[in-house]
Amino acid sequence: GAGVSQTPSNKVTEKGKYVELRCDPISGHTALYWYRQSLGQGPEFLIYFQGTGAADDSGLPNDRFFAVRPEGSVSTLKIQRTERGDSAVYLCASSFSGGNGETQYFGPGTRLLVL
Amino acid sequence: GDSVTQMEGPVTLSEEAFLTINCTYTATGYPSLFWYVQYPGEGLQLLLKATKADDKGSNKGFEATYRKETTSFHLEKGSVQVSDSAVYFCALSDHDFGNEKLTFGTGTRLTIIP
Repeated sequence: GAGVSQTPSNKVTEKGKYVELRCDPISGHTALYWYRQSLGQGPEFLIYFQGTGAADDSGLPNDRFFAVRPEGSVSTLKIQRTERGDSAVYLCASSFSGGNGETQYFGPGTRLLVL
Repeated sequence: GDSVTQMEGPVTLSEEAFLTINCTYTATGYPSLFWYVQYPGEGLQLLLKATKADDKGSNKGFEATYRKETTSFHLEKGSVQVSDSAVYFCALSDHDFGNEKLTFGTGTRLTIIP
């Protein structure tokens, strides 16, 4: 079956612009996670959705970052007034129900470059 | 807070050598432990996992045992192949208020030479 997909695969933008990154999880998965991976580092948690609601957004670095999942499937990560420090690979993952020890399936990521 | 410390890389081995990548963790509860792998040009994928103490995860000849007494989850393989060249990430989820968010180590780049 289809895995997690993310679009675009690459995004180049200028400092101060607004960007949207899309994640399409595995069908039927209620849990969805966003992570950010900087060069040479492991992924870092940003936000967790259970269904339509953001159950934990404690990893969002500041109020320029926002994410939605209005119908409990596709999610969009939105970044306002981008800064050069936002450059990273943004990863999305989904799991069946978010239960203990469940495997998270990752998408290929969106590589964001802010010039 | 939770943290994962894994062996600094890069690691270079000859084909058929024995592999160990060390991973230790700090967590407030009783976490689940994972090894994820990122092959060149591909996304992160689960290699193996263990959800309670003394469990052994295994896959593709790799093994790791959840050691609560030493807070470790070292990855081992008896005979590596060129196709094992990748970046390996140790991770934990601490069942924090129902949020299974993963905390990752920094990754270990493994290169196997023929």
